[in-house]
Amino acid sequence: DAGITQSPRYKITETGRQVTLMCHQTWSHSYMFWYRQDLGHGLRLIYYSAAADITDKGEVPDGYVVSRSKTENFPLTLESATRSQTSVYFCASSDYIGVKNIQYFGAGTRLSVL
Amino acid sequence: AQSVTQLGSHVSVSEGALVLLRCNYSSSVPPYLFWYVQYPNQGLQLLLKYTSAATLVKGINGFEAEFKKSETSFHLTKPSAHMSDAAEYFCAVSANTGNQFYFGTGTSLTVIP
Repeated sequence: DAGITQSPRYKITETGRQVTLMCHQTWSHSYMFWYRQDLGHGLRLIYYSAAADITDKGEVPDGYVVSRSKTENFPLTLESATRSQTSVYFCASSDYIGVKNIQYFGAGTRLSVL
Repeated sequence: AQSVTQLGSHVSVSEGALVLLRCNYSSSVPPYLFWYVQYPNQGLQLLLKYTSAATLVKGINGFEAEFKKSETSFHLTKPSAHMSDAAEYFCAVSANTGNQFYFGTGTSLTVIP
């Protein structure tokens, strides 16, 4: 299917385990983003990528790792999950900066760390 | 630096009544402003965006927003609420030179039949 897809939609894990959240987009957009959504905080940017092999930190990067070996994929890894990383994670993509910039979002991954 | 403040984390309106969701922004450069809607268990969808072409912006589903530079506001309105408008609404700002978005904390809209 065309668009931006996230997997899994739901994930339960234990403290200390490594977890990888997947994001795939079919538009060949240059920019991709990872956000976390928490009550009272709205969406906060974790990492973003301007192109394959180019990534940069956002507002809350600690405890997360990203990679982007292919334009269409932007996985987010929690190397050692903590309870504070329980959240809903959204991936987004866009193809422009400036006036044409619109971000398109995936459906989200709901992660629970026990 | 850019930021947005959404006043009111919860808003309730009766079906058919005016919807007004407030957003104030702070930006050191001319901003681009956005409203997104999130339905339960879904991602965010773009409602409308302001990119300096016109101060009154019309979006999907009958929503519109007016950019007021003097008040640094970008409030979202709809003349007549429908049950299907119940959702979470997010205001966001980006700089005209960048690609990062800064989101507000969201406003949950409840529509009472």
